[in-house]
Amino acid sequence: DTGVSQDPRHKITKRGQNVTFRCDPISEHNRLYWYRQTLGQGPEFLTYFQNEAQLEKSRLLSDRFSAERPKGSFSTLEIQRTEQGDSAMYLCASSPGTGGSFRVEAFFGQGTRLTVV
Amino acid sequence: AQTVTQSQPEMSVQEAETVTLSCTYDTSESNYYLFWYKQPPSRQMILVIRQEAYKQQNATENRFSVNFQKAAKSFSLKISDSQLGDTAMYFCAFPNAGNMLTFGGGTRLMVKP
Repeated sequence: DTGVSQDPRHKITKRGQNVTFRCDPISEHNRLYWYRQTLGQGPEFLTYFQNEAQLEKSRLLSDRFSAERPKGSFSTLEIQRTEQGDSAMYLCASSPGTGGSFRVEAFFGQGTRLTVV
Repeated sequence: AQTVTQSQPEMSVQEAETVTLSCTYDTSESNYYLFWYKQPPSRQMILVIRQEAYKQQNATENRFSVNFQKAAKSFSLKISDSQLGDTAMYFCAFPNAGNMLTFGGGTRLMVKP
C-alpha cells in the first residue's frame, strides 16, 4: 500500500461549474477525513466517515458540498456551483479506528488544489 | 471546542542549530493528545511527534522533542541539529475523540545552509 492517494492533484474550473475529487485511503483504515486548507493557513475539518457512514460535518460544509464513501472504501467530495472562495487545497486523511482511543496518527494524501476562475 | 494557536508565522534557523516552535491550546478535556505535523513544500503532511497529556515525560523522536506544559497549555517543538530537509510548514494539532484534528495556523520554518 502506497498510502493515501488523491485525484486529481490539480483542478482549474470556471465559476459555477461542478467538480468532484476522489480519495483512496489506506486500505485497512476505516476512518476517512476531508479537510480544506487555504494558502498559508492550517487545514480546517470538513467531514469524516467511519466505514460508509458520514458521522460528522463541519458548518464549513455548505449545501453545495457533498461527500460520499460508498462501501467504506474510496471517498468522493463534490462541490456544486463552484465559487472563487472555494479555491483551496482539499486534503484527505485516513486513520484506523477499531475501538479504544481513536486519537491516533492520521495519514494524509498530497491533496487536490482547486482553483476557481 | 478546542483552539490551537501558533504565534510564529515564520522562523528561520541555520543548518545544525536548534530551533523551538511554539504552540498554545485551550481545551476543557483532562486527558488528550497533542500532535506536531510537518508539511514539506508540495508534499503530504506527516506526523512528527505525539504527546499524551497524562504522561509527564516529554516525547522525543530522534532530533525532535517537545516541551509539554499542561498547566500552561503549552506544547512547543524543539528541532535539534536542524537539516535542510526540515524546511517545511509545521502545524500543532489537537485531535478530538473522533480523531478530527484542530490545527493551528502553522509556522513556516526555513533552514538555511
